Parts: sequence; C-alpha cells; structure tokens
Amino acid sequence: DIQLTQSPSFLSASVGDRVTITCRASQSISSFLAWYQQKPGKAPKLLIYAASTLQSGVPSRFSGSGSGTEFTLTINSLQPEDFATYYCQQLYSYLSYTFGQGTKLEI
Amino acid sequence: EVQLVESGGGLVQPGGSLRLSCAASGFTFNSFPMHWVRQAPGKGLEYVSGISSDGGRTYYTNSVKGRFIISRDNSKNTLFLQMGSLRREDMAVYYCARGAPFENWGQGTLVTVSS
Repeated sequence: DIQLTQSPSFLSASVGDRVTITCRASQSISSFLAWYQQKPGKAPKLLIYAASTLQSGVPSRFSGSGSGTEFTLTINSLQPEDFATYYCQQLYSYLSYTFGQGTKLEI
Repeated sequence: EVQLVESGGGLVQPGGSLRLSCAASGFTFNSFPMHWVRQAPGKGLEYVSGISSDGGRTYYTNSVKGRFIISRDNSKNTLFLQMGSLRREDMAVYYCARGAPFENWGQGTLVTVSS
C-alpha cells in the first residue's frame, strides 16, 4: 500500500497567520491527492481534491499544490473556525485509499 | 441532498460479530464506489474497506482481511460491513463515505469491543 506522511503532526498558529502542511507519498501518485478537515466529534469534510481543486463551498483561503510525491495544503489568513485536524488521502490506487496520520492545527 | 446514515454499532465482546449498515439517499447509489473508514478514540482516520459501484471489486486493509466483508444492495441503496472475530483494536467510530474523493460522509457509528 502507498504510505502518506504528513508534517508537522502538530502546528500552533494564530488567527490571521498563513500555515502550510506537507504530505509526502511513498511513491508517485501524480495528482491523486485530497485534503480533509475534521473537527472534534464530526465527520471529515472534503476541502481539496486532485491536489489543487477546491471543493465547492470551501473558502478560497484554502489552497493545495504539488504532484508526484510531495504536496502542500496552505491556509491563508487563518480564521477561528480553521482550527481542526487536517488529513491528506491518496486516490491513486483504486479502492486502496490511504490517509496520512493527520496534522492538528491549534491556537 | 446527499445523506448517509450509519447504524448497527454497539457493544460487542471480543471475538463477536456485528453488521454495520449505511443507508444512502439523495444520489444515484449504484453510480458511486462506497467506503468504510474508522477512527479509534483519539486517533487518525483509517481506510478500512471499499467496494466498486457494481459490487464487483472490493478492498480491505490488511488488519481486517478475512474478518470483515463489505457488500452493497443497490436495489435498497444500502452499504454493509459484516465484522467478525472482533478485537479490541477494532473499537472505533465507523464512517461510511461516498465516491472518490470522499465527497460525503455519514455521522458515524460507534463500535465498542469489550468484555
């Protein structure tokens, strides 16, 4: 199975900051990468797919980039509601869609 | 509006069995692959199993192979996960999810494995 490694695992930031989360794949996955946001007690929410395509309804302060084995999620001008845990997921291997271990973004 | 509603979770003893269901509505169920994802208490997301839109292809993560079976009934818009030989490490909230990427998720159902 393809392994995904996110860094950092924990990130401390303030409202208004710009933050970047990295996701590295154990092999090339082209642009078959998605990002999710999860808040405590809630189901994850899709933010970005195909590495850089913003899901409908997601604020434009979220952006994604990368291809191959290295990807980034950037959040510009952090808002209070952005403090959550973020996961990357590879969709390169059909039906074998592994997740990264998560990055907890906290104040 | 897309809705995914899981049910069937609960308390089960180690070695026991449980069948989870995910009732889908608001979309053409037989057009989408479906998945089960779990999250142990305080841990990250783990992709457990997936099934193609017609049910012809399935996937299981290594730790559940031979113990869990994913299936779907496209006539009833329902996804299932039959879980057997349950272990304490299977204890988690189980989510069903639609598509690839996972555009929609259910609210989750809690599986507790304890004697």
